[in-house]
Amino acid sequence: GAVVSQHPSRVICKSGTSVKIECRSLDFQATTMFWYRQFPKQSLMLMATSNEGSKATYEQGVEKDKFLINHASLTLSTLTVTSAHPEDSSFYICSARGGQGALDEQYFGPGTRLTVT
Amino acid sequence: LAKTTQPISMDSYEGQEVNITCSHNNIATNDYITWYQQFPSQGPRFIIQGYKTKVTNEVASLFIPADRKSSTLSLPRVSLSDTAVYYCLVGDNHRSSASKIIFGSGTRLSIRP
Repeated sequence: GAVVSQHPSRVICKSGTSVKIECRSLDFQATTMFWYRQFPKQSLMLMATSNEGSKATYEQGVEKDKFLINHASLTLSTLTVTSAHPEDSSFYICSARGGQGALDEQYFGPGTRLTVT
Repeated sequence: LAKTTQPISMDSYEGQEVNITCSHNNIATNDYITWYQQFPSQGPRFIIQGYKTKVTNEVASLFIPADRKSSTLSLPRVSLSDTAVYYCLVGDNHRSSASKIIFGSGTRLSIRP
């Protein structure tokens, strides 16, 4: 099946700094990419949807100026957590939508564990 | 977007068949039903997808009644490695659709020896 990678797999940063997470579709072109956040013992929460070359669409309650999303190509989307705070510590997961035929499939990355100290 | 309802948790034993049922009363005509599996600190992994009746692959079976208002994921002869959270999702997967996947609470399945 199609592969989606994320980098880094885990990152620790100090409060007030910014962190960038990359999401790549390795063997297919993704029409759309999604960013989720997951806290311990909870489900995935959709943060935003991004399409290549256009502005991301953020879910209600997600600060677009804090979570900057750039979707520069059909295989790369980045999430930048700006001025990170301890409450931003979470597991961030991206997914990419694409495939062949009439139906798309959504493929998930392995996730990035962010810890803000 | 169709909302889904699943049991919060289930327990079973190795070698047993496990059936997890999901309710999706508001499913739309173009919606497909997809099940994902997630292990701790990993991204969700696709298990199976279907539209109606029955779908089977090497991992699981998916049963969908005629009204499509529910679906049942069947895992045959589970092992300890099947301990995970299972999510049932409903959405329009057609290429032209702008549908997005919204996760419900999922079912935490625990398999015991």
